[in-house]
Amino acid sequence: NAGVTQTPKFRILKIGQSMTLQCTQDMNHNYMYWYRQDPGMGLKLIYYSVGAGITDKGEVPNGYNVSRSTTEDFPLRLELAAPSQTSVYFCASSSGQGWSTEAFFGQGTRLTVV
Amino acid sequence: RKEVEQDPGPFNVPEGATVAFNCTYSNSASQSFFWYRQDCRKEPKLLMSVYSSGNEDGRFTAQLNRASQYISLLIRDSKLSDSATYLCVPGGVTGGGNKLTFGTGTQLKVEL
Repeated sequence: NAGVTQTPKFRILKIGQSMTLQCTQDMNHNYMYWYRQDPGMGLKLIYYSVGAGITDKGEVPNGYNVSRSTTEDFPLRLELAAPSQTSVYFCASSSGQGWSTEAFFGQGTRLTVV
Repeated sequence: RKEVEQDPGPFNVPEGATVAFNCTYSNSASQSFFWYRQDCRKEPKLLMSVYSSGNEDGRFTAQLNRASQYISLLIRDSKLSDSATYLCVPGGVTGGGNKLTFGTGTQLKVEL
């Protein structure tokens, strides 16, 4: 059971570079989320999606973009990377069906911008 | 008022102690609640779900107080392996989904 898979696990970017963090899930979940977690801090929602073709901003969307062309995939794009984007990024998915909103997380992508 | 608020701790307790954390939420429409456990540098994983007044699973008890809009997590007979950060999140808002906003987490350190 793959669940939620994130790639890459680690990445070092130079200031101004761009990259895409990949996230895919095989549970046919409608809801998908991207969070960032800075050292010693909580999870902050960047973007989320309630289904293919639908995305919405979370708490900290600036500097990021997302797309949701399929149910399975929810990539996060960083344009013009900045040191403030150094963080651990978690992707999550849930069925979003009424009561059952248990979220399943990927293992995270540790990004350093230098 | 923040959507979800937790005391960040850390709570340092001796092994065998009973410890409780609270989590307050602002959206009175939330229908279900979840406690997640996050180990250092790992992804969060579901610990308990709360759909009515409370839930119990072994040494862990979660209670919901809708009137005061808080949920609590009680851990009895703490083990060293319980050391982690505990995150709460309200879920299941009527009308279709929600943003799954997590609290900042409460750090627990169980010591010998």
